Amino acid sequence: SYVLTQPPSVSVAPGKTARITCGGNNIGSKSVHWYQQKPGQAPVLVIYYDSDRPSGIPERFSGSNSGNTATLTISRVEAGDEADYYCQVWDSSSDHQVFGGGTKLTVL
Amino acid sequence: EVQLVESGGGLVKPGGSLRLSCAASGFTFSSYSMNWVRQAPGKGLEWVSSISSSSSYIYYADSVKGRFTISRDNAKNSLYLQMNSLRAEDTAVYYCARERENGDYDYWGQGTLVTVSS
Repeated sequence: SYVLTQPPSVSVAPGKTARITCGGNNIGSKSVHWYQQKPGQAPVLVIYYDSDRPSGIPERFSGSNSGNTATLTISRVEAGDEADYYCQVWDSSSDHQVFGGGTKLTVL
Repeated sequence: EVQLVESGGGLVKPGGSLRLSCAASGFTFSSYSMNWVRQAPGKGLEWVSSISSSSSYIYYADSVKGRFTISRDNAKNSLYLQMNSLRAEDTAVYYCARERENGDYDYWGQGTLVTVSS
């Protein structure tokens, strides 16, 4: 089955740029979606189709996808960005949705 | 306003059954695929099952295949998950989520907690 690998944690100072990676075999050929989840809340879609932002999501959130790695980039990080972030793809070979293990973003 | 409201969670003994429901409003329910996604305490998101708009296509995670059944009633704008032969490892918050053609989930419910314990 298809596996998505994320770093368990990423730390960044306020105002700096955070990059969260999502690794998968030839993930560049798939559409990658990203979710933000704060404690006790449901996930929120922050990036879809590799790099598109839903309405209401700040421009500070961006995404890219190439080769074996997709990346969620958060610019000018704020304290309110502290959350868990998950990548997700549809694996057509197994007809399964797949989530990465999640990355806890800590704002120092 | 799109709303997804899950219900039916609770405490059940190992081997028992439970039926979750998700009431949808604010959009044309019959036009969207719907999914169940779960999250065990302190763990990450795990996809459970998906059903296409007309119920023609149904998929399950390997961990629940043969034990869980997803269904929907478009006339009632409702999504269901029948869970049988429950195990301790099925303990989780279960979310229903609307799936778009991109394959992403643009709306989620607040979740319902299922606890499997003797």
